[in-house]
Amino acid sequence: IAGITQAPTSQILAAGRRMTLRCTQDMRHNAMYWYRQDLGLGLRLIHYSNTAGTTGKGEVPDGYSVSRANTDDFPLTLASAVPSQTSVYFCASSENGQATGELFFGEGSRLTVL
Amino acid sequence: GQNIDQPTEMTATEGAIVQINCTYQTSGFNGLFWYQQHAGEAPTFLSYNVLDGLEEKGRFSSFLSRSKGYSYLLLKELQMKDSASYLCAALDSNYQLIWGAGTKLIIKP
Repeated sequence: IAGITQAPTSQILAAGRRMTLRCTQDMRHNAMYWYRQDLGLGLRLIHYSNTAGTTGKGEVPDGYSVSRANTDDFPLTLASAVPSQTSVYFCASSENGQATGELFFGEGSRLTVL
Repeated sequence: GQNIDQPTEMTATEGAIVQINCTYQTSGFNGLFWYQQHAGEAPTFLSYNVLDGLEEKGRFSSFLSRSKGYSYLLLKELQMKDSASYLCAALDSNYQLIWGAGTKLIIKP
């Protein structure tokens, strides 16, 4: 089934450790996004990429980095995890930018930083 | 600042109709989206409105009033599987999505 695959599904991490959340899509979408979802708050954009080779900062980029070496993969790295980064992380894609409508989301990665 | 307001939680009865409201304040406006998110799952697209009026799609309809900064999602003939959170999101002048915190809809038999 075509879509977005995220890994890991869930992870407990010690503060200060480095962590990479993986995201792969097979829909050949140009744009990809990383969001975090916290209780009582709307989805917040961390980083995005409108096309392979380019990335941009979203609303809450600090402490996170991304790369977009090819169309399919968009990993999110926490260089030195802190407890405030405990959240559910969703990767998403769209055919082009957010202006073109529907976002397709992965199943999420639940990260706990202790 | 930019803001999306929607109720935190609503309860409705199986077979009934429920209306979930959303008001938005954004710098510019390029459309309003509704997504459904079941607990522990990914959000999935429901509807997109950019012009005033009602868009109907099966049991679900979405309404937009640009002059009032207001939208609603109408769910008819409620089923237990409609228990989920419903996320409202507005596209601002920079074509960035601004998301509401979601409305948790509880369906009772």
